[in-house]
Amino acid sequence: EAQVTQNPRYLITVTGKKLTVTCSQNMNHEYMSWYRQDPGLGLRQIYYSMNVEVTDKGDVPEGYKVSRKEKRNFPLILESPSPNQTSLYFCASSPVSGQWGTSTDTQYFGPGTRLTVL
Amino acid sequence: AQKITQTQPGMFVQEKEAVTLDCTYDTSDQSYGLFWYKQPSSGEMIFLIYQGSYDEQNATEGRYSLNFQKARKSANLVISASQLGDSAMYFCAMREGTYGNKLVFGAGTILRVKS
Repeated sequence: EAQVTQNPRYLITVTGKKLTVTCSQNMNHEYMSWYRQDPGLGLRQIYYSMNVEVTDKGDVPEGYKVSRKEKRNFPLILESPSPNQTSLYFCASSPVSGQWGTSTDTQYFGPGTRLTVL
Repeated sequence: AQKITQTQPGMFVQEKEAVTLDCTYDTSDQSYGLFWYKQPSSGEMIFLIYQGSYDEQNATEGRYSLNFQKARKSANLVISASQLGDSAMYFCAMREGTYGNKLVFGAGTILRVKS
């Protein structure tokens, strides 16, 4: 089954304790991305990767790190979490969009990770 | 500037009736794509429908259709024959430009279907 998996699904942690949220996809997609969802703001992109070893900042990258050592995996790292990083996090993947883009370029989302930083 | 605007924070609709969820967008690109996603209370993001900027016909997928008015920069989602299972948060999103994968999302509209 084609899917994007995230772990953990729920996490409660304390300020300053490093954590990693894993993301893996089995569709051989080049593009992977992390979003955070906050009430009234929709989803905002944190980081993205166009391929292995190629990552770049999205709209809200402060306080986050990512790596892309393998095509299927794209972990999100919070080196020193703070309460303002309490949010619902989504990993997504898709093929790299062609010149004109099509519906097949739609992003497939993981189930989400609900993070609470106390 | 807000690129995707969903002006309806919440909507109610009677079961079996049709409902329109509004979405306006802002872009200077000629090539872009518009998406609607559904997020039920369980939290997952479910892709519903896509409209490309060069598509001349409005997209349809089962009970979902997209009312695309390019000159007005609107991409409203129409759900026909609403069902209780349609109760969810709905997000409009845009992908800009050629070779672009990034999605920009609106704030969402919560839809509640009444029996």
